[in-house]
Amino acid sequence: GEDVEQSLFLSVREGDSSVINCTYTDSSSTYLYWYKQEPGAGLQLLTYIFSNMDMKQDQRLTVLLNKKDKHLSLRIADTQTGDSAIYFCADNYGQNFVFGPGTRLSVLP
Amino acid sequence: DAGVIQSPRHEVTEMGQEVTLRCKPISGHDYLFWYRQTMMRGLELLIYFNNNVPIDDSGMPEDRFSAKMPNASFSTLKIQPSEPRDSAVYFCASSLFSGSAKNIQYFGAGTRLSVL
Repeated sequence: GEDVEQSLFLSVREGDSSVINCTYTDSSSTYLYWYKQEPGAGLQLLTYIFSNMDMKQDQRLTVLLNKKDKHLSLRIADTQTGDSAIYFCADNYGQNFVFGPGTRLSVLP
Repeated sequence: DAGVIQSPRHEVTEMGQEVTLRCKPISGHDYLFWYRQTMMRGLELLIYFNNNVPIDDSGMPEDRFSAKMPNASFSTLKIQPSEPRDSAVYFCASSLFSGSAKNIQYFGAGTRLSVL
């Protein structure tokens, strides 16, 4: 079945850029997603990218997609303490999602 | 819309007791999902419904777990009897099929269950 992998932890200093990486196995994916989970809360959609795009930028967020390598990344520019959260990469088939294990981002002052 | 509403937010119970978790999806959404999140296993899909009908319950751990959706605005996840290993955060999510490949699930805030 479909598998989505991520590194589990990332620490960065406030003001630096964060890059969270994800690999997936389903080559037929049409959209790929990034969800954010803040402490004590549910997952919230952060951004998504259509599979025929290489890049999508939304303010401080940049999503890069390498469809050949099945690699997705999320870059957060000027990382702030409020960005500390767990970030999930997700692929969907039909109405179902396959979520990665989540990357816990810690932002150090 | 108030979003997906789950209750209770926290539940502490003793082993062997029945636990019922509740979910109100976003009005108009036709899909509802139940997930379980633990440190060890991450986010697991337990079951999902389409138009109140269970479509896939292959993620339900065992017969102690059951889920119902009696109408479009309410769903329950029941654990009977509960065990300490059921301790986790349980999320409900809903979505609307738009006819396109793009799909967005909206999550509730979760119920943190502790079974002592």
